[in-house]
Amino acid sequence: GAVVSQHPSRVICKSGTSVKIECRSLDFQATTMFWYRQFPKQSLMLMATSNEGSKATYEQGVEKDKFLINHASLTLSTLTVTSAHPEDSSFYICSARDFRLPMAKNIQYFGAGTRLSVL
Amino acid sequence: QKEVEQDPGPLSVPEGAIVSLNCTYSNSAFQYFMWYRQYSRKGPELLMYTYSSGNKEDGRFTAQVDKSSKYISLFIRDSQPSDSATYLCAMTYNQGGKLIFGQGTELSVKP
Repeated sequence: GAVVSQHPSRVICKSGTSVKIECRSLDFQATTMFWYRQFPKQSLMLMATSNEGSKATYEQGVEKDKFLINHASLTLSTLTVTSAHPEDSSFYICSARDFRLPMAKNIQYFGAGTRLSVL
Repeated sequence: QKEVEQDPGPLSVPEGAIVSLNCTYSNSAFQYFMWYRQYSRKGPELLMYTYSSGNKEDGRFTAQVDKSSKYISLFIRDSQPSDSATYLCAMTYNQGGKLIFGQGTELSVKP
């Protein structure tokens, strides 16, 4: 199956600093990647859809200047949490779609997630 | 009303039991249905993918979709402690569209 790698798995930072999270599709090209946020015992909340070579599409209520997304290549998307504050502490997960198989267009393969703690 | 409703549990069963996990949805346009398993502090992994109504079996797992009732199920036979995780249903109505997730059901299988 398709493999998505997410790095780092855990990050602790001071308030006011910026944190970059990487999401890579290892064995396929992903023209579209997704970024989610998940609070404890809650479902995934879609933050934005990242399209290779174009601007990301953000969900309502998500600050695009706060959560910068770059999808510069077909295998890499990055999420930068700028000027992080304690309320940004959460579990961030990326996913990617593999368009090689027609019926697989709707399947998203997820990374292992990044646990961000802002002190 | 949420588009997708899923009982959050927690659900606790003894090893070897048959587990039934369910989701209901309100949008009749949904056509593609998935079940993901998520272990604690990990990303979700795909378990089952079905299109439209019907059943699909993969080992100990069976996914059912009843579009007339707007109801999907995941059955786990001979449940094992390693099945202890949160199970998320997800669905979408168009090719390549956003996934709409249920809240997730936390399952615990006791040895």
